[in-house]
This record gives sequence, C-alpha cells and structure tokens, in this order.
Amino acid sequence: QIQLVQSGAEVKKPGASVKVSCKASGYTFTSFGINWVRQAPGQGLEWMGWISVYSGNTKFAQEFQDRVTMTTDTSTTTAYMELTSLIPDDTAVYYCARDYTSGSDPDAFDIWGQGTLVTVSS
Amino acid sequence: DIVMTQSPDSLAVSLGERATINCKSSQSVLDSSNSQNYLAWYQQTPGQPPKMLIHWASVRESGVPDRFSGSGSGTDFTLTISSLQAEDVAVYYCQQYYSPGPITFGQGTRLEIK
Repeated sequence: QIQLVQSGAEVKKPGASVKVSCKASGYTFTSFGINWVRQAPGQGLEWMGWISVYSGNTKFAQEFQDRVTMTTDTSTTTAYMELTSLIPDDTAVYYCARDYTSGSDPDAFDIWGQGTLVTVSS
Repeated sequence: DIVMTQSPDSLAVSLGERATINCKSSQSVLDSSNSQNYLAWYQQTPGQPPKMLIHWASVRESGVPDRFSGSGSGTDFTLTISSLQAEDVAVYYCQQYYSPGPITFGQGTRLEIK
C-alpha cells in the first residue's frame, strides 16, 4: 500500500541541526511532490515547504527559508528535511505529506507520514 | 499570506446530530480559470497524523463516509457532518493550497460529544 515512513524521534541541543527522513513506497516516487508540515505540542499545523521530487524545485515558508533544506534520493525513494540552528520553539512533530496530484506547485496532502518528534532542549 | 480562520474553535454535538464547521479565507481561493476552489479539510485524532477528508472544497476522498460533506466557494467554506458518530471526535483543519506563498491552515476546530 502507499505509505510514507519517517525516521525516529530526535533530541537535539539548541544550535544543532536535525535531518528527518521520509521513505515512500507503493507509488511512483517521482510523480508527486513532498511537503513538510510541523505541529508544536498542543498546537495547529504549520507548512514548512515543498519539494518536487521530479525536478528538485523547492518552495519554502518564509519563516524557514534560511534554515531548511529539502532533498530527495530517488534511488532509495526517500525525502529528507534538514533544519539548522535549532531553538526550543522548534520542538514539534514533523510530518512529511504527499501531494494529492502531480504538478508544479504544492497541493492538498493525501498521504502523511506517521510523524517524527524533534525535541530541542539544553 | 492567505489567512484561514475557522469557527468555532470548539464544538460539542450530540451523537446523531449535525456538526458544522466554518472556514473563511482572507482572499479568494477560487481559480476562475478552472472554477476550482483550492480548499481541503483534514481530520486529526490524538496521536495520529491528519487525514484528508475533502479536497477541491467539496470532493470527498475515497473511503471517507458520506456523512462528511464540504461546501462553499471563494472565501467561505463549510464542513458538515450530517450525523455525528463517536469516531468523529477529532480536531478538524481547513487548508488553502491556492497560493504556496505559503500553504496555510486554519487554527483547527475541536469537535466533542455533548
């Protein structure tokens, strides 16, 4: 079945970086973009950015523009999100989510990973 | 940025009754070139990722019960659950994907059983 499986929970110190992986299976990986969404404890959903797996093009929320890198490895059908210069307010569950349709812009998100808890604490 | 505002923030409805959640966007998410509203609804239960219920404002995702329906156009949208079931207790989010500068979500509406 179609699924996205994310890497495990991380604990980081302020100023460090974290790289979360998202392995796709059950569909043609290059046909759909991947989004990253985070959710702070008890809070709502915040879109971080999108990568076209086909072209490598990216779009980011301005808040993360200078700190986030999104990449994909088509040989392993895995997407990655790296966030640098972590602060305690970056403590959140980070989700990857697949575009519903294939296109040149992010879309609605039909498949979600299970989430990766990133805790930033000294 | 397109700001999405949901109302109410929380809602308690009796089993079998209708639940209605509203979502308003700060600018239109209707693309006049294809007459599509770039609006989706998600359901999130505790400890789970969100689940897409509806896209294009009114198209139900495969497998979603038909008691869920979406309506509206332009800037005003509604998610309706026609007959509330116990398993519908969740937080519901609307999302606009008209403009990826950035994609934005509503703040969420918590739905409980009265």
